[in-house]
Amino acid sequence: DAKTTQPNSMESNEEEPVHLPCNHSTISGTDYIHWYRQLPSQGPEYVIHGLTSNVNNRMASLAIAEDRKSSTLILHRATLRDAAVYYCILRDGYNQGGKLIFGQGTELSVKP
Amino acid sequence: EAGVAQSPRYKIIEKRQSVAFWCNPISGHATLYWYQQILGQGPKLLIQFQNNGVVDDSQLPKDRFSAERLKGVDSTLKIQPAKLEDSAVYLCASSQETGASNQPQHFGDGTRLSIL
Repeated sequence: DAKTTQPNSMESNEEEPVHLPCNHSTISGTDYIHWYRQLPSQGPEYVIHGLTSNVNNRMASLAIAEDRKSSTLILHRATLRDAAVYYCILRDGYNQGGKLIFGQGTELSVKP
Repeated sequence: EAGVAQSPRYKIIEKRQSVAFWCNPISGHATLYWYQQILGQGPKLLIQFQNNGVVDDSQLPKDRFSAERLKGVDSTLKIQPAKLEDSAVYLCASSQETGASNQPQHFGDGTRLSIL
């Protein structure tokens, strides 16, 4: 299973943009890049996913490098509620039962 | 829509006792997952069901863990007998997917199990 590398922790100020990096140098052609986040005492929550093109939704944006070996999750204006562990996960999008394999993730703290 | 429901929220047992967790997925979701999350780590998949059949149970310690999904809806995960190392949060998730794996997984808030 392809693996991802993320910083253990990051800090941000409230109402400022946050760029969460993820390296995935061994990504295969059928791997989608998924992001989930986990708030304290809650289960993980889907944020966004993409294959090659940049993606936007109401929660965040996903910027994918042209060679697909890295990606960045962008929170446009961090709020205190965005403090969570963010997981970048590669998932085979074309085979039934492609697993979500969670790593350690990046713990994001947001300062008022 | 209602989310994934899990119960109980917390459970404390002594080692060698048995315990069961219950999960009710989002209505209409064909695929159901059980994950184990040890403190400080990301969740680890234990078992995946599609409808009432097992798709992947390669990480399930089958000597002590069992899971079933009768009628393809609710699911139970059982541990018998429990060991100290089973202390963790047990998360249930569901998704609509029946083919390609790009549908988001929706997680419950988990059952926190403590083994004394």
